[in-house]
Order: sequence, then structure tokens, then C-alpha cells
Amino acid sequence: DQQVKQNSPSLSVQEGRISILNCDYTNSMFDYFLWYKKYPAEGPTFLISISSIKDKNEDGRFTVFLNKSAKHLSLHIVPSQPGDSAVYFCAASYGTRNMRFGAGTRLTVKP
Amino acid sequence: KAGVTQTPRYLIKTRGQQVTLSCSPISGHRSVSWYQQTPGQGLQFLFEYFSETQRNKGNFPGRFSGRQFSNSRSEMNVSTLELGDSALYLCASSLRTGGGGELFFGEGSRLTVL
Repeated sequence: DQQVKQNSPSLSVQEGRISILNCDYTNSMFDYFLWYKKYPAEGPTFLISISSIKDKNEDGRFTVFLNKSAKHLSLHIVPSQPGDSAVYFCAASYGTRNMRFGAGTRLTVKP
Repeated sequence: KAGVTQTPRYLIKTRGQQVTLSCSPISGHRSVSWYQQTPGQGLQFLFEYFSETQRNKGNFPGRFSGRQFSNSRSEMNVSTLELGDSALYLCASSLRTGGGGELFFGEGSRLTVL
């Protein structure tokens, strides 16, 4: 059940430019959203989160935007750096229900 | 503070065999979740244990099972292995059960079924 969808399997951007990763969800009950970053041969690591009472959360170069009416969230990375190259997973949950993940988007930042 | 530890990191099995994977959560974390990662499918939720009780379960066949011990360490077992079970199995721990909190992942156990 693909309740969380990342429709772009890959994204390539130039160093210094903005990276925008998108995520859509179908379950309106979701009230907590997270982004995880995964390097090869490592487990995913938490990047940034947002609760449904907010529409924006910022942490340094990373900003997550939430549009509840569109059931859409996005992760902006500005400026993008080569070290940001990784697979990014969007995740969502509600209550005590387990977290659901998207299929991931592979970001490549070119020097 | 030690992170989530998964063993073994890599293993190769043949069809029909069974496998047991182990996960030691971060000290103090009582919730352990298991995910299967395959190319194109992202992280598929298997199950979650909290205080030795299964709290949530994903849509996987009964061949996939798990348990949690009193020290919060968890094991997952896959019986009668199939080729399609080849994947990276990730364990994650958290303070609370279910969602609403950050998950801390281990490096995973890469299972190859021949």
C-alpha cells in the first residue's frame, strides 16, 4: 500500500543550486512527516521533520514545506553540495501507527 | 552513546532455508521496528515491537516473524526463504512506539538468497 509516494526516482543538480525533492501522501490521517537520508552501505539517518500543525520547518540548508490540502511535502536544499548526494526517503505517520516510507529519490549533486 | 547494531551484516542463504537476524537498539529505546529495503520499493514496514509485544505489523506473509526480548533486543526470522526475499533488512529503534518520533536505523543486514 503506497500511502507515501516519491514519484521521482532520481534528481541531478549542480553544486550551489537548489535541490527540491517531492513527496505525496494519500492518508489524510498522517500528522507527522520526516525526511531521511541514506548513503550506500549505511542505514538511513534522520534529516528533518515537520508536524501537521506547521507548514514549514527550517534547519540550516534544509527546509521542509507541507501543503496539507494537496497532501504534498517537499524538501529544499540550498545551496546543494556534493556531500548531499544520497538517497532521500520521505516518511509519514500518525498516532501510534508505524511510519510509512516512500520509495526514495536518489539525489546527485555535481561539482 | 552506541547506535543501533545489526548482525550479521551480510549473509547468503539458499532457497528453502531459514534465517535469523538480530538487532540491538540504542540503550533506553524500547521500540524496535523492522523494514525491508528493495530497489524501487523503498522501505517496506515489516513489524514493530515495544516492550516485548508486537504493536504493528506490515503486509508480509507469515514466513516473516519477529520477537523482542526483555532487554529490548529484537530478532526477526524468515523461514522457507524465497529468491524475492533478497534485500537489505533494516532495524530501527525509537523511544516511543509507532510514529510521532524519530527512528534511529542500524546499518542493515544484507540478505542474498540463491
